[in-house]
Amino acid sequence: DGGITQSPKYLFRKEGQNVTLSCEQNLNHDAMYWYRQDPGQGLRLIYYSQIVNDFQKGDIAEGYSVSREKKESFPLTVTSAQKNPTAFYLCASSIAATSAEAFFGQGTRLTVV
Amino acid sequence: RKEVEQDPGPFNVPEGATVAFNCTYSNSASQSFFWYRQDCRKEPKLLMSVYSSGNEDGRFTAQLNRASQYISLLIRDSKLSDSATYLCAMRRGASGSARQLTFGSGTQLTVLP
Repeated sequence: DGGITQSPKYLFRKEGQNVTLSCEQNLNHDAMYWYRQDPGQGLRLIYYSQIVNDFQKGDIAEGYSVSREKKESFPLTVTSAQKNPTAFYLCASSIAATSAEAFFGQGTRLTVV
Repeated sequence: RKEVEQDPGPFNVPEGATVAFNCTYSNSASQSFFWYRQDCRKEPKLLMSVYSSGNEDGRFTAQLNRASQYISLLIRDSKLSDSATYLCAMRRGASGSARQLTFGSGTQLTVLP
């Protein structure tokens, strides 16, 4: 089945540790996105990528890093510089068109203790 | 001012009621609009795209008002299963940022028996 897969579903890390969230899609989509969602809040854009080897900062990129070495993969690293990393992280992808909707993975709940 | 604003609710309505949500946007370059549905602790899923002429899908009607810069979602004959958070989303039409998909904070709907 085609889709977008995030792993793991739940992740616990100690404060000060970097952690990488996985996002893989087999939809042949050019564009991929990372969003963060806090309880009772909407989605805030962290980073997005339009094509391989290219990505742009979103509204809240500080403390995060990404790479786009393959079309199918867009991993997100939450670094120790991120002050409040505990959140629900959502990865999405879409075709490269202005009118295109985005499809989401099931999300990763990161808890930093 | 936020680029996309939604009334967070909550909207508590009886089964069978008609309910409407609005979403205002500040960037007149926004070109593509969407409504997503998000169930508790799940990923958002596309409910419907919003077309300039308005569009209907069963009990759901979406409209776009470019002059006043808002989109709306109307749900008729509400069902218990409609209880969820409804997120609006939009893309700008300018090159470079066309792939960026911006979300509102969501409107929470609870349909009561």
